[in-house]
Amino acid sequence: NAGVTQTPKFQVLKTGQSMTLQCAQDMNHEYMSWYRQDPGMGLRLIHYSVGAGITDQGEVPNGYNVSRSTTEDFPLRLLSAAPSQTSVYFCASSPPGQGLETQYFGPGTRLLVL
Amino acid sequence: SQKIEQNSEALNIQEGKTATLTCNYTNYSPAYLQWYRQDPGRGPVFLLLIRENEKEKRKERLKVTFDTTLKQSLFHITASQPADSATYLCALPLSGGYNKLIFGAGTRLAVHP
Repeated sequence: NAGVTQTPKFQVLKTGQSMTLQCAQDMNHEYMSWYRQDPGMGLRLIHYSVGAGITDQGEVPNGYNVSRSTTEDFPLRLLSAAPSQTSVYFCASSPPGQGLETQYFGPGTRLLVL
Repeated sequence: SQKIEQNSEALNIQEGKTATLTCNYTNYSPAYLQWYRQDPGRGPVFLLLIRENEKEKRKERLKVTFDTTLKQSLFHITASQPADSATYLCALPLSGGYNKLIFGAGTRLAVHP
């Protein structure tokens, strides 16, 4: 199993550009989520999905869109990039259960918005 | 609002000693708490989960305690090794649950030979 994969590893955008961060998992996990990590701050939840066709907002959803058409994929879209979105983005997945399951994280995408 | 605090200063210890990291939280009564390890340039990796009705959990050289009265968890690494050097994050489920986690900023541990 490849686990959780993310592409690209690194991206530079100009303010106002849009892009999609890709996330895929091959563990048949129902739950997937996106976090951003900024220096001196903990990981913050952007959006999450409890299964194909179901998504919901986390702590910091503004400026981001998600969709979940398959169990495997959970892309994160930046609609109009802003310098405040410069961060490291992590995708995570976990199996179904009682909410006590561990989360498996991808390697991250480092995004720089100029 | 819910808040997690971890010591932002790096913890430097000698190889072989026990490292103790602290996670404090406020305005919250979580059903469980998790600890993750994060190496530079990588995603967090799960280490341990402890439930609210458990006082202590062990896994090899790792030990986690959970004091719901003090609203604190302690994470211990015994017989520490340079390979244990990393940032350690604690995480709690957000209200509304189901794997929606709130993370602390993490404490960087450096184990010196």
